[in-house]
Amino acid sequence: DIQMTQSPASLSASLGETVSIECLASEDIYNNLAWYQQKPGKSPQLLIYYASSLQDGVPSRFSGSGSGTQYSLKINSLESEDAATYFCLQDSEYPRTFGGGTKLELK
Amino acid sequence: EVQLVESGGGLVQPGRSMKLSCAASGFTFSNYGMAWVRQAPTKGLEWVATISYDGSSTYYRDSVKGRFTISRDNAKSTLYLQMNSLRSEDTATYYCTRVRRYFDYWGQGVMVTVSS
Repeated sequence: DIQMTQSPASLSASLGETVSIECLASEDIYNNLAWYQQKPGKSPQLLIYYASSLQDGVPSRFSGSGSGTQYSLKINSLESEDAATYFCLQDSEYPRTFGGGTKLELK
Repeated sequence: EVQLVESGGGLVQPGRSMKLSCAASGFTFSNYGMAWVRQAPTKGLEWVATISYDGSSTYYRDSVKGRFTISRDNAKSTLYLQMNSLRSEDTATYYCTRVRRYFDYWGQGVMVTVSS
């Protein structure tokens, strides 16, 4: 199984700041990487797919990059609504596996 | 607008069975693979099973193989998850998702609690 190691586990940042979240795959996943945002009590929402493609309706302050085994999600100009938990997903192989999540808190 | 509405959850004793349903609308259901993803209380996300657009192919995580069955009825635009021999570790919110390799739309989730 492909292991997805996500870091950091938690993050505290101020409004207007830029943050990055990383996912490291245990083997090459060929850009088959998606990012999700989940708010408490809600279902996950797709932000990014194929490592860097922005899902329709997602603000352009979200961006994804990476290749091979290393991927990152960047959020520019943090807004209060960005407080949430973020997960990565590898959809290269079965079983599909998620990163452990990053809880983003706004100061 | 894509909508996925799960139903069928609740409290069930260990070793018993439960069947979840997911009613889909807002898209051509028969054109898409579908999947179930679960999330134990205060934990991360865990993929459970995927079914192809026509039901001909299914995939399961090891811990549910032989106990869970994913199926679909394209005439009713409905996805199912039959869960047998339930264990306490199956306790989670179960989400129905549409598949495009990744999971692009998710339902609101249904809670399954396995406890005596």
